[in-house]
Amino acid sequence: AQKITQTQPGMFVQEKEAVTLDCTYDTSDPSYGLFWYKQPSSGEMIFLIYQGSYDQQNATEGRYSLNFQKARKSANLVISASQLGDSAMYFCAMREDFNTNAGKSTFGDGTTLTVKP
Amino acid sequence: GAVVSQHPSRVICKSGTSVKIECRSLDFQATTMFWYRQFPKQSLMLMATSNEGSKATYEQGVEKDKFLINHASLTLSTLTVTSAHPEDSSFYICSASRQLNYGYTFGSGTRLTVV
Repeated sequence: AQKITQTQPGMFVQEKEAVTLDCTYDTSDPSYGLFWYKQPSSGEMIFLIYQGSYDQQNATEGRYSLNFQKARKSANLVISASQLGDSAMYFCAMREDFNTNAGKSTFGDGTTLTVKP
Repeated sequence: GAVVSQHPSRVICKSGTSVKIECRSLDFQATTMFWYRQFPKQSLMLMATSNEGSKATYEQGVEKDKFLINHASLTLSTLTVTSAHPEDSSFYICSASRQLNYGYTFGSGTRLTVV
């Protein structure tokens, strides 16, 4: 079974509007971390935001926020006030074995976001 | 912030030759680094976990004799694609984690083309 599911292969959003990228996950580990990364066409992977499984509040980082619904096992990324530079591929990832830096991450298939002017 | 330097960014090699890709953590010590492979428009596929001073742990289906990983110091891991073939052409990217509640820092990736 896939551990990370991103059901939206492609999304479009108008500049300055908000957009939500979906991510659901599957794990039996009580301690895990959820991450979102951005990959522009240049190929680099950029870390955006992190949510720990025990965190009570949803994570926020500037225009990025993570809508964490633990019972539903979802960790959707919300980008507010979209900018043209937000056009990229976005990956949701989960790291189990969260007690060490050696825990490997599983990535979703990604969502390609296109921001329209 | 944490920086991971990856070289080369692009390489073209002839079929049958070997290519070495370096991944270096510049401002932190990385006891563990991860090597991924990515095909166009697809997700990252973990190839192996590189552990400083010990053998790498390879994912199922990854040929350890073809993709040699060496992690000789706390700041350097290398991936050598041996006897490269056109099907090895791909984007290879490494990552390391500086701290638990932070995302991985990725290298800039290496686009390998085998002709």
